Amino acid sequence: EAQVTQNPRYLITVTGKKLTVTCSQNMNHEYMSWYRQDPGLGLRQIYYSMNVEVTDKGDVPEGYKVSRKEKRNFPLILESPSPNQTSLYFCASSYTLLVDGGPDTQYFGPGTRLTVL
Amino acid sequence: GIQVEQSPPDLILQEGANSTLRCNFSDSVNNLQWFHQNPWGQLINLFYIPSGTKQNGRLSATTVATERYSLLYISSSQTTDSGVYFCAVESTSGTYKYIFGTGTRLKVLA
Repeated sequence: EAQVTQNPRYLITVTGKKLTVTCSQNMNHEYMSWYRQDPGLGLRQIYYSMNVEVTDKGDVPEGYKVSRKEKRNFPLILESPSPNQTSLYFCASSYTLLVDGGPDTQYFGPGTRLTVL
Repeated sequence: GIQVEQSPPDLILQEGANSTLRCNFSDSVNNLQWFHQNPWGQLINLFYIPSGTKQNGRLSATTVATERYSLLYISSSQTTDSGVYFCAVESTSGTYKYIFGTGTRLKVLA
């Protein structure tokens, strides 16, 4: 089954304790992306990756790191989480278009609800 | 950067009614997608529609790129259509960022 998986689905942690949220897709997609969703703000892009070893900042990258060492995985790293990073996080993936190299239809993972105390 | 506005912010319908959701964007876009977030939080892509019109069952979408808006039509609404509808655009700025609107929250009453 084609899917994007995220782990963990729920996480409660404390300020300053490093954590990683994993994202994996089995569709051989080139483009992967992380979003956070907050009430009243919709979804905001944190980081995206066009392919292995190619990553770039979205609109809200501060406090986050990513890596793309393999095509299927795109982990999100919070080196020193703070309470303002409490949010619902989504990973997404897509093919890239031949015409301009941009992302095609995005498919989303189930989400990770993170609470930082 | 590009601004994406959706209207209305909230919508309540009786089952069987039709509705139109609007997405306005402030600059040229490479592509546009519509998503439905169901009450369980799952995000499902509905349409990839940088221009033109597409239909999928009771849903259809039209994007008029030159006038910088897109419309999502829901006909004969059902309670399972409830949730939040988002549009998202990728601007032509030379990056591959996606910008989401703040959504339209739809509630369909039985």
